[in-house]
Amino acid sequence: DSGVTQTPKHLITATGQRVTLRCSPRSGDLSVYWYQQSLDQGLQFLIHYYNGEERAKGNILERFSAQQFPDLHSELNLSSLELGDSALYFCASSARTGRAEAFFGQGTRLTVV
Amino acid sequence: AQKVTQAQTEISVVEKEDVTLDCVYETRDTTYYLFWYKQPPSGELVFLIRRNSFDEQNEISGRYSWNFQKSTSSFNFTITASQVVDSAVYFCALTNGRENFGNEKLTFGTGTRLTIIP
Repeated sequence: DSGVTQTPKHLITATGQRVTLRCSPRSGDLSVYWYQQSLDQGLQFLIHYYNGEERAKGNILERFSAQQFPDLHSELNLSSLELGDSALYFCASSARTGRAEAFFGQGTRLTVV
Repeated sequence: AQKVTQAQTEISVVEKEDVTLDCVYETRDTTYYLFWYKQPPSGELVFLIRRNSFDEQNEISGRYSWNFQKSTSSFNFTITASQVVDSAVYFCALTNGRENFGNEKLTFGTGTRLTIIP
């Protein structure tokens, strides 16, 4: 158990809909990262938050947004969903930025039908 | 730009054989960190090891060992006396070593699927 909790584990939704994925980092970790894993793109970095502030953006679509709350949990919002958004979405947390290893949650498997 | 290459897409070995997973990286940073993660069939990503660019000592942890060579930009992973439970996808990853510059993402390789045959 990495200590990072993601909910829900599985999500099936229709095209055009909006979903919210939730992540609780390990106790004390200030950094939260979101990654997308798909068959064609592999593991891709989406966005990084540190202590409530956005620190870096990767290949995140404009339809996607995230935030980190004062209690350090984070949410990834995906809207106007398309079939191609079906993927495994991981949240990871680390104690510091960059140097520290990131611990990953079990992921949320999103299926868009 | 950073890049991680895992040229071996799939490897199958018979149980108890040794197996080495290759990882080659590219970066312009002089300070960087390398990682290996394991993704078993259950899907989670499990952290295995972190190495910084200043420490080229090889590391051994039980049946696992890592060979870091800056001269060839490689960070290879060897499993000795493989077991069926080692079957998983293994990812090599890279990040720069600068803190507080907003660029701390992990760049992953495409992974190597390892199958241990009983």
